[in-house]
Amino acid sequence: NAGVTQTPKFQVLKTGQSMTLQCAQDMNHEYMSWYRQDPGMGLRLIHYSVGAGITDQGEVPNGYNVSRSTTEDFPLRLLSAAPSQTSVYFCASRDPRQTSNEQFFGPGTRLTVL
Amino acid sequence: KQEVTQIPAALSVPEGENLVLNCSFTDSAIYNLQWFRQDPGKGLTSLLLIQSSQREQTSGRLNASLDKSSGRSTLYIAASQPGDSATYLCQTGANNLFFGTGTRLTVIP
Repeated sequence: NAGVTQTPKFQVLKTGQSMTLQCAQDMNHEYMSWYRQDPGMGLRLIHYSVGAGITDQGEVPNGYNVSRSTTEDFPLRLLSAAPSQTSVYFCASRDPRQTSNEQFFGPGTRLTVL
Repeated sequence: KQEVTQIPAALSVPEGENLVLNCSFTDSAIYNLQWFRQDPGKGLTSLLLIQSSQREQTSGRLNASLDKSSGRSTLYIAASQPGDSATYLCQTGANNLFFGTGTRLTVIP
């Protein structure tokens, strides 16, 4: 199993550009989430999905869109990047059908918006 | 909304000391509590997971406890080593999972 994979690892954007952060998992997990990590703020939940076709907002959803067309993939879209979106983005997955409900994380994407 | 707090924000200890990191949460309706380690510029490494029905979990020099009624978890690190230097994060919740802001640990040789 590759676990949770994210691409790209690094990205630099100009203000106003759009891009998609990719996330995939091969563990057949129902739940997938996107977090951003900023100094002094910890990890904050952006969007999450409880299964294919179902998404919902987390703590800081503004400026981000998500979709979940398959169980495996959960892309995060920035439609018009802003400097405030400079951050490290982590994707995670878990399966609440399992007793442990352990959350697994991808390696992260470091995004800089100029 | 679940609020997760970690105190202290930073901790510096000499090598060999035993230490305790704290995590508190406001809503006791949780599925589990998970402790992670994060090295600078790196991703999250899962250390221990305590299910809501459990009181503690152990892995090597690490022991994590959970007291749902008081909304607290502790991570005990025995005989600390310089390689333990990192930020330690706790995560908990139910349908949504929330993180504390972490404790940055420095173990001085």
